[in-house]
Amino acid sequence: DARVTQTPRHKVTEMGQEVTMRCQPILGHNTVFWYRQTMMQGLELLAYFRNRAPLDDSGMPKDRFSAEMPDATLATLKIQPSEPRDSAVYFCASGSGQSGNTIYFGEGSWLTVV
Amino acid sequence: AQKVTQAQTEISVVEKEDVTLDCVYETRDTTYYLFWYKQPPSGELVFLIRRNSFDEQNEISGRYSWNFQKSTSSFNFTITASQVVDSAVYFCALSEGAYRSNAGKSTFGDGTTLTVKP
Repeated sequence: DARVTQTPRHKVTEMGQEVTMRCQPILGHNTVFWYRQTMMQGLELLAYFRNRAPLDDSGMPKDRFSAEMPDATLATLKIQPSEPRDSAVYFCASGSGQSGNTIYFGEGSWLTVV
Repeated sequence: AQKVTQAQTEISVVEKEDVTLDCVYETRDTTYYLFWYKQPPSGELVFLIRRNSFDEQNEISGRYSWNFQKSTSSFNFTITASQVVDSAVYFCALSEGAYRSNAGKSTFGDGTTLTVKP
């Protein structure tokens, strides 16, 4: 049963600390997305990649957030330094042209910055 | 620019009632995809259905059915004989054509929270 895998599932960290979230997309999917979900903003697209190249990261605060795809099986989202307002659920999703633009989500990384 | 509107923020029904969740979209593309996702209390986002812009046939899957009408730019979702397990947030999403540079980039509505009471 292919699925998107995210780690960590839950993270509590202190303000100012670095946080790295990892995502393993579904094998064969060439498009990877990072979304953030909060009560106030709903689902926001932070960044996405196709064939490991960043296509759009306009939704991401550039001063503290960075997203990379070191290889086809790993995507990372890093926050440095973290702030309380970064507390949210971060979802990774993957898709491909063969899936008809359908994107499949991981279970999310629940981040709390205190 | 693409936009998805789910006007119903919250809906509450009693078990076994039918319920329809509305979704209205905007796009200038002629080729696009529409989706519904379910987010149960556990938090994961579960893909339910995809429909492409050239296929206006309604679809039924068990108690779920979807009504796609291009004339009104709507893609509504009906749950028949609702159950408590249907309680979740439901998101409608839109993705533009597969051959666009931003293909796969989905715009989500704000979601409709459905509560089914026993």
